[in-house]
Amino acid sequence: QKEVEQNSGPLSVPEGAIASLNCTYSDRVSQSFFWYRQYSGKSPELIMSIYSNGDKEDGRFTAQLNKASQYVSLLIRDSQPSDSATYLCAVNSAAGNKLTFGGGTRVLVKP
Amino acid sequence: ETGVTQSPTHLIKTRGQQVTLRCSSQSGHNTVSWYQQALGQGPQFIFQYYREEENGRGNFPPRFSGLQFPNYSSELNVNALELDDSALYLCASSSLAGGLRTDTQYFGPGTRLTVL
Repeated sequence: QKEVEQNSGPLSVPEGAIASLNCTYSDRVSQSFFWYRQYSGKSPELIMSIYSNGDKEDGRFTAQLNKASQYVSLLIRDSQPSDSATYLCAVNSAAGNKLTFGGGTRVLVKP
Repeated sequence: ETGVTQSPTHLIKTRGQQVTLRCSSQSGHNTVSWYQQALGQGPQFIFQYYREEENGRGNFPPRFSGLQFPNYSSELNVNALELDDSALYLCASSSLAGGLRTDTQYFGPGTRLTVL
């Protein structure tokens, strides 16, 4: 079992719709969770961090964390073609010294 | 722009050679982590440096080594290059401190290494 798992996609959504991305993790003691966006050929760019159970909203993005079920999700509202990218879920170790990434979910927003 | 810089941008080496990649951390950050990202995969943790010492290491052989300098910049050295070392090498900076959660990592633009 991989430590952090994501559906590789591609997740195809029409412009203006909601994109829903999921991520599960195996280490129950993890405390810090991150979503990064990565455009082709570029480096990961931080979108959201979340540390507590529940929802966290930032603009068109909402991260959801459920530690009991060991999953993190990301919602992208009003999806735009510029949101087309690979979204990486990352979990920090309890010691705070290592990010473990999922393989990423590729999102395609079609005009 | 995260303020994290890496050099060089691209590099081509042949098998068996050695390479040094460099990273300057974001202002105010004291910790540098290195990741390897193969095509189509998520980044894999190589190691982290804090206060000029290794502070955690992933599943990479000893030919991957690093340094951190007093100004918090860092180097990644890879000896005896193999074809599978071809990847995007990412540096991320953060600030480790007791109490306040400051473990968010910000990535530099990366160095694309090709081993022929």
